[in-house]
Amino acid sequence: AQSVTQLGSHVSVSEGALVLLRCNYSSSVPPYLFWYVQYPNQGLQLLLKYTSAATLVKGINGFEAEFKKSETSFHLTKPSAHMSDAAEYFCAVSPTLGGFKTIFGAGTRLFVKA
Amino acid sequence: GAGVSQSPSNKVTEKGKDVELRCDPISGHTALYWYRQRLGQGLEFLIYFQGNSAPDKSGLPSDRFSAERTGESVSTLTIQRTQQEDSAVYLCASSLTPHGVTYEQYFGPGTRLTVT
Repeated sequence: AQSVTQLGSHVSVSEGALVLLRCNYSSSVPPYLFWYVQYPNQGLQLLLKYTSAATLVKGINGFEAEFKKSETSFHLTKPSAHMSDAAEYFCAVSPTLGGFKTIFGAGTRLFVKA
Repeated sequence: GAGVSQSPSNKVTEKGKDVELRCDPISGHTALYWYRQRLGQGLEFLIYFQGNSAPDKSGLPSDRFSAERTGESVSTLTIQRTQQEDSAVYLCASSLTPHGVTYEQYFGPGTRLTVT
């Protein structure tokens, strides 16, 4: 069975600092991987996705994530945090060989300090 | 094109009443999900529809919850005899599943349910 683990329910960084949100997955075969963002009082939107092409994926708002098969990880990074990045971030995994259902992580809330 | 729509956007109901929440997925999307998100919490999977296959109901918290979907179109989530702990935002999402693989989900704006 597939699963997703997001390390840290809350992450706090200073404005301008590196953002690193961790996501590890469990899957018998490399899955498709996604990061979604939910800004305060808004719906979820796709930030970026990995679908077996380039392992380094660039998304919106300067975020990127790297798929590392050996570490079963898909960590989300941004070189310099902005106040507007404060949001809830969800990692998700979809199977590539049947099964269909997407599994979401528990989410990480990012706080950005001035 | 049109995104996923949900109605109503807000619903206030009295404890014990039944409610129906509606989701209109993006046209052509074969997969449809319902999630519950309590205040300050993550996504709680409720039910998943994929084409004409039997739905995955493994996330429904009790038999008061049920959902239907007509073909690959509209879905309705019904909560009977609502309880205060049912208060949450109910999110619907749809996605394409070409060749049996699920791509990204497109989320609706949600229905905020308040049970008084």
